[in-house]
Amino acid sequence: EDQVTQSPEALRLQEGESSSLNCSYTVSGLRGLFWYRQDPGKGPEFLFTLYSAGEEKEKERLKATLTKKESFLHITAPKPEDSATYLCAVQEVEQAGTALIFGKGTTLSVSS
Amino acid sequence: DSGVTQTPKHLITATGQRVTLRCSPRSGDLSVYWYQQSLDQGLQFLIQYYNGEERAKGNILERFSAQQFPDLHSELNLSSLELGDSALYFCASSAGSGNTIYFGEGSWLTVV
Repeated sequence: EDQVTQSPEALRLQEGESSSLNCSYTVSGLRGLFWYRQDPGKGPEFLFTLYSAGEEKEKERLKATLTKKESFLHITAPKPEDSATYLCAVQEVEQAGTALIFGKGTTLSVSS
Repeated sequence: DSGVTQTPKHLITATGQRVTLRCSPRSGDLSVYWYQQSLDQGLQFLIQYYNGEERAKGNILERFSAQQFPDLHSELNLSSLELGDSALYFCASSAGSGNTIYFGEGSWLTVV
């Protein structure tokens, strides 16, 4: 059973068309939930960390929110340069080490 | 630039061979993580080292091994390579528990 599930797998938007990406997780205790952006052939680029339900963080056109079972990445008025794969990952309290468990990502395409 | 350096960037080798991937973490980071990314599996955690000691193991095959040296750089050794080992291998680093994890640009491994 996947611990981190992201939906949709792919999303196509027109420039300026706002939307949200979903990340649902099933872990016994959440230490942190992370969002990364990954461009093709590149390493994941850190965006946000959320630690507790109700927390929100913003960066430019992106806003991440967290509940007890899921996180959303809201994209407001996206631009073509926002096209990328967005990865969600969790870090569990009851785990050896501090590695992140990743979802498979949502690939966002924004056309002008 | 995340500050995590990986070499080589690209590597093509034959089945049955052995390769070594190298990683220099961000300055001051004590934790090093190795991940494998293939098209169908997404980012899979392999192993974590903290200050020279193995901290956690993920889905790492017995043919694979890693170590972290006193200067904190790390190497991932892949042996008896199979076609299915072709993937992008990422190194990541963090200062310690609860800190942001930063990824390198990856090493593309193609096994032919």
